[in-house]
Amino acid sequence: EAGVAQSPRYKIIEKRQSVAFWCNPISGHATLYWYQQILGQGPKLLIQFQNNGVVDDSQLPKDRFSAERLKGVDSTLKIQPAKLEDSAVYLCASSQDLPYEQYFGPGTRLTVT
Amino acid sequence: AQRVTQPEKLLSVFKGAPVELKCNYSYSGSPELFWYVQYSRQRLQLLLRHISRESIKGFTADLNKGETSFHLKKPFAQEEDSAMYYCALSGGPYGGATNKLIFGTGTLLAVQP
Repeated sequence: EAGVAQSPRYKIIEKRQSVAFWCNPISGHATLYWYQQILGQGPKLLIQFQNNGVVDDSQLPKDRFSAERLKGVDSTLKIQPAKLEDSAVYLCASSQDLPYEQYFGPGTRLTVT
Repeated sequence: AQRVTQPEKLLSVFKGAPVELKCNYSYSGSPELFWYVQYSRQRLQLLLRHISRESIKGFTADLNKGETSFHLKKPFAQEEDSAMYYCALSGGPYGGATNKLIFGTGTLLAVQP
């Protein structure tokens, strides 16, 4: 089966600019996750969708980050405006309801200068 | 607070030597524990989970609830085991509503020839 797809793979922007990332999960996977992985740390969940609805966005900086999952398939994550500390790899993952295995995409490496 | 601790950033061993990657967790309830692995230039992928009680690529991990540990072990390391290893926990469907993963900071395993 095709894996989780993400684009772009790399992005360099200046602080205060905006950026958007795209994710296409594995077909049939109801749950979609966005993680932020800062250099030297493990991935941290930003937001989790179950079909169209948000299940958990407790760690999403809502003043600058937004995410949507239209039609319960693809998802976009946006940062506006970006800060230097947003430099990280943004990982998208998807899973079926059970048995919880999350399949990860290749990630988007964001550098904010 | 929910937390996963991996005390070693780097573990270097020689081929054929035993390997133990340490993982301790803090969680109020009965979590599910996982090991994820990321090989060079590949995406993050599940290695094993404690509920399966299986051996993958010669690796095993036993959940010790008394010591709140989930150490990853392999009796004889191979060069192809060199990778970044992340321990993670989830509340699961009964212990937590979202199935989100909480990751440790990772341990880089380097197997020398």
